[in-house]
Amino acid sequence: DQQVKQNSPSLSVQEGRISILNCDYTNSMFDYFLWYKKYPAEGPTFLISISSIKDKNEDGRFTVFLNKSAKHLSLHIVPSQPGDSAVYFCAASANYGQNFVFGPGTRLSVLP
Amino acid sequence: DTGVSQDPRHKITKRGQNVTFRCDPISEHNRLYWYRQTLGQGPEFLTYFQNEAQLEKSRLLSDRFSAERPKGSFSTLEIQRTEQGDSAMYLCASSLGRRGSSYNEQFFGPGTRLTVL
Repeated sequence: DQQVKQNSPSLSVQEGRISILNCDYTNSMFDYFLWYKKYPAEGPTFLISISSIKDKNEDGRFTVFLNKSAKHLSLHIVPSQPGDSAVYFCAASANYGQNFVFGPGTRLSVLP
Repeated sequence: DTGVSQDPRHKITKRGQNVTFRCDPISEHNRLYWYRQTLGQGPEFLTYFQNEAQLEKSRLLSDRFSAERPKGSFSTLEIQRTEQGDSAMYLCASSLGRRGSSYNEQFFGPGTRLTVL
């Protein structure tokens, strides 16, 4: 039973447009969420986090939105750049950063 | 380079052999995590340490898997009697893990890719 779901295995977006990556979770005890980006042959790289006391967090081109009632979060990338092409993982924790549960990832392709 | 390092980057072994992987975390980080990642999946949590104490090991996949962090610095993950199903990427991560802090994002190493023939 997957506690963190990323239902879109892949997404293609034109350069300069907005990329929206979605993540759903089932465990209402999750209180801390992160997004990671992964290039081939490298470990995941931290992008942005959000705690359950917030519904939005911004960092440059990246914004994460959290809808606790829907158990849904999304990552917006504006504007998308070809260098953003990677696999994006959503991760959640029930105890502020101890055991993280990762989703299966969404492969983003930003087309020039 | 002050990131998380892992050694070796690649390991090919025959079924039944034992393998050991090493992880060196970011020096000021007191939490260290091990994950396994298979193709098309996200990292799967295995175990983690707070300094030298192993605080969670129930997710280790079987009793063939064990991890140590003897002095609270580097860590090793050992797989005994490897099986073909153990073939995967093994990732290590570290974090500051300050009590009461929400600043707990994990920094990952490049991983060790294990192939069991």
